[in-house]
Amino acid sequence: EADIYQTPRYLVIGTGKKITLECSQTMGHDKMYWYQQDPGMELHLIHYSYGVNSTEKGDLSSESTVSRIRTEHFPLTLESARPSHTSQYLCASSEVGDTEAFFGQGTRLTVV
Amino acid sequence: QKEVEQDPGPLSVPEGAIVSLNCTYSNSAFQYFMWYRQYSRKGPELLMYTYSSGNKEDGRFTAQVDKSSKYISLFIRDSQPSDSATYLCAMSAPVGDDKIIFGKGTRLHILP
Repeated sequence: EADIYQTPRYLVIGTGKKITLECSQTMGHDKMYWYQQDPGMELHLIHYSYGVNSTEKGDLSSESTVSRIRTEHFPLTLESARPSHTSQYLCASSEVGDTEAFFGQGTRLTVV
Repeated sequence: QKEVEQDPGPLSVPEGAIVSLNCTYSNSAFQYFMWYRQYSRKGPELLMYTYSSGNKEDGRFTAQVDKSSKYISLFIRDSQPSDSATYLCAMSAPVGDDKIIFGKGTRLHILP
């Protein structure tokens, strides 16, 4: 079944650690996104990609980086985690030119 | 002024009632309008998708777009406790500036 997967679902990590949040989709979509969502707040776009070797920064300034080496894979990396990075991170994908985005289950990150 | 405004609620209604959820927006270039449903600790799932003005019905759900007033609505008929979730409106402009902008979401509680 076509889907979009995020791992891990929950992560508690110490300040200063490097972490990578994984996102994979089997829907054949070219466009992928990372959003950050705090409780009761809107989703903020932090990175997106139109396809392999394409990465763009979103509207929310972020200290994270992304890569798109394969169509189905769009990992997000924090080189040095800080408590201010505590949030829920949502990955999504869509067809290029089609704005219906499909979301993964999210990764809830806590930095202590 | 935010591009998309949505009352965060919470909104509590008795089972069986008709629910009306709304968003206003400021960018007249928006052409694609979406409603997402997000259960607690899950990613958003696409509920309704509308292009330009008009109504769209899917089962108990009806989406309305009034571009002249920059106002969109989602109606839920015969509401069920399983409809309790956060509902996010989202919208985007045509290709070229097709980032999806989300509202904050409205928390809905259907009381049995």
